Amino acid sequence: KNEVEQSPQNLTAQEGEFITINCSYSVGISALHWLQQHPGGGIVSLFMLSSGKKKHGRLIATINIQEKHSSLHITASHPRDSAVYICAVKTDKLIFGTGTRLQVFP
Amino acid sequence: NAGVTQTPKFRVLKTGQSMTLLCAQDMNHEYMYWYRQDPGMGLRLIHYSVGEGTTAKGEVPDGYNVSRLKKQNFLLGLESAAPSQTSVYFCASSYMDTEAFFGQGTRLTVV
Repeated sequence: KNEVEQSPQNLTAQEGEFITINCSYSVGISALHWLQQHPGGGIVSLFMLSSGKKKHGRLIATINIQEKHSSLHITASHPRDSAVYICAVKTDKLIFGTGTRLQVFP
Repeated sequence: NAGVTQTPKFRVLKTGQSMTLLCAQDMNHEYMYWYRQDPGMGLRLIHYSVGEGTTAKGEVPDGYNVSRLKKQNFLLGLESAAPSQTSVYFCASSYMDTEAFFGQGTRLTVV
């Protein structure tokens, strides 16, 4: 069993929809990262969380340490949000989930 | 401020050849990582380092060696390349509990 599980693996949405991507982990962590990877592109850090909630523009990330669960929300989704979203947890190293491929259609 | 720089960006190797991938960061980060990314498998940790002169094995270390002689550089070596090492390689760096920064990736093909 992977130490970091993401769901769903693939997600399609219409422009304007509210999107949620989930991440569950089974190890003790010091922080959790949400990352974005565009097709053929590099990896960009969106958030780093150790508790509570963070917001940046249309993106919101939450974490529940007791339940070992985090969510990434995208409000008013747009085609440019189409990318792979990756959850990673920090132990003595970074452990990655397999990613959620999001496609937003106009 | 260049962030994290990987060289080269692309490389084609013949089976059995050797090569070194260089990761350089200018943010004075303690932690550095090498990952490989394969279709459908996400990022898998090859080796990592928590400081100058230290290295540790990750999830898939076989066939690779690393060195961290200087804090800013983390080298990944393939002594005898195999087709199974065809992949996209990413380097990352961070402080202990801060945002991770990634290089742009190295696309390696072993024929």
